[in-house]
Amino acid sequence: DVKVTQSSRYLVKRTGEKVFLECVQDMDHENMFWYRQDPGLGLRLIYFSYDVKMKEKGDIPEGYSVSREKKERFSLILESASTNQTSMYLCASSMSGRGTDTQYFGPGTRLTVL
Amino acid sequence: ILNVEQSPQSLHVQEGDSTNFTCSFPSSNFYALHWYRWETAKSPEALFVMTLNGDEKKKGRISATLNTKEGYSYLYIKGSQPEDSATYLCAPKDLVTGGGNKLTFGTGTQLKVEL
Repeated sequence: DVKVTQSSRYLVKRTGEKVFLECVQDMDHENMFWYRQDPGLGLRLIYFSYDVKMKEKGDIPEGYSVSREKKERFSLILESASTNQTSMYLCASSMSGRGTDTQYFGPGTRLTVL
Repeated sequence: ILNVEQSPQSLHVQEGDSTNFTCSFPSSNFYALHWYRWETAKSPEALFVMTLNGDEKKKGRISATLNTKEGYSYLYIKGSQPEDSATYLCAPKDLVTGGGNKLTFGTGTQLKVEL
């Protein structure tokens, strides 16, 4: 079974802090994704990566950056956390970039920025 | 960004009822449609991926149909059970927005099945 893990289930940070959210997948998947989920807005793509050190902006990249130094790990970075980044963050991975490939999701990190 | 609409936003049914909900998406440049189920406190899980007009997929009591010409998909649940309570998400993929299998998710239909 594909396993996608995220470093924390719950996280509380203060405004202005630098925040790292880590995601690890164990199936040698090429593509990895970061989403945020907010009530009434659904899952929105922040960034994705299709290979090590390769990344592309999603639909809402402002205020975020990412890092993929190893194939299995994809990090989301909030350079200076703000209250409007309070949200549920989900990581996903897929085998390749085909439009029919299933995305496998992690359990999510609920981030609160005070 | 693709315009994806799911309806209804939420649904309460009784155990044993059959139900269905809709996902609407742009019909032009269609490539694939994904359905996911997201139970509270769990990760979203893939249900189906569909590509062909008229396609029908089934998994137990859950089935889905696809109309690519008019841009919609229906998800049906027969004889709903409490364990079907979840948010059901659809995510179409087209040929022009690029980005490999970057998906645009709808806001979901939240289903609650009551005893």
